[in-house]
Amino acid sequence: AQSVSQHNHHVILSEAASLELGCNYSYGGTVNLFWYVQYPGQHLQLLLKYFSGDPLVKGIKGFEAEFIKSKFSFNLRKPSVQWSDTAEYFCAVGTNAGKSTFGDGTTLTVKP
Amino acid sequence: ETGVTQSPTHLIKTRGQQVTLRCSSQSGHNTVSWYQQALGQGPQFIFQYYREEENGRGNFPPRFSGLQFPNYSSELNVNALELDDSALYLCASSLQSGTYEQYFGPGTRLTVT
Repeated sequence: AQSVSQHNHHVILSEAASLELGCNYSYGGTVNLFWYVQYPGQHLQLLLKYFSGDPLVKGIKGFEAEFIKSKFSFNLRKPSVQWSDTAEYFCAVGTNAGKSTFGDGTTLTVKP
Repeated sequence: ETGVTQSPTHLIKTRGQQVTLRCSSQSGHNTVSWYQQALGQGPQFIFQYYREEENGRGNFPPRFSGLQFPNYSSELNVNALELDDSALYLCASSLQSGTYEQYFGPGTRLTVT
């Protein structure tokens, strides 16, 4: 069975600090990897995705994530956060069989 | 381009009742997935429909069932409601089956009393 673990439940940073949110998954086959974000009062939306190729993927708003196959990890990074990055972040794993598994999310609070 | 819409927004039901939730997929999308999100947790995959057929199912009992219509809109039906079914139900559509980029709706908040 697939599972996704997000290491931090709540992260608090000051503006301009660097961000790294951890995500580890367990699944033996080929996976597609995603980070979704939910801003206050808005729908879940895609931040970035990895299907194949370059393991360093770039998403919207300056976010990036690195797929490390040997560590079953897909950590999200941003060099300098802004107050507007305050949101809940979800890591997700999908298989070609149609099933997606989400982590429990990390709430990021950025202090102005 | 119309986004994913869900109805109703909120719903209150009594234990043992049945409920139907509806979802209209984004224009051009033929795949719909349903998720249950309990408070403080991530979305839990219920099932996916592709061209009117179920295409993948999570660990939910058979009283959770669904339909997809020729226009690719979808319904989630839950029979014999239990208190633990109280949650936010999310619908997401995508261009193809399997797991591709999903576009989420705002969700339906179901409360079972």
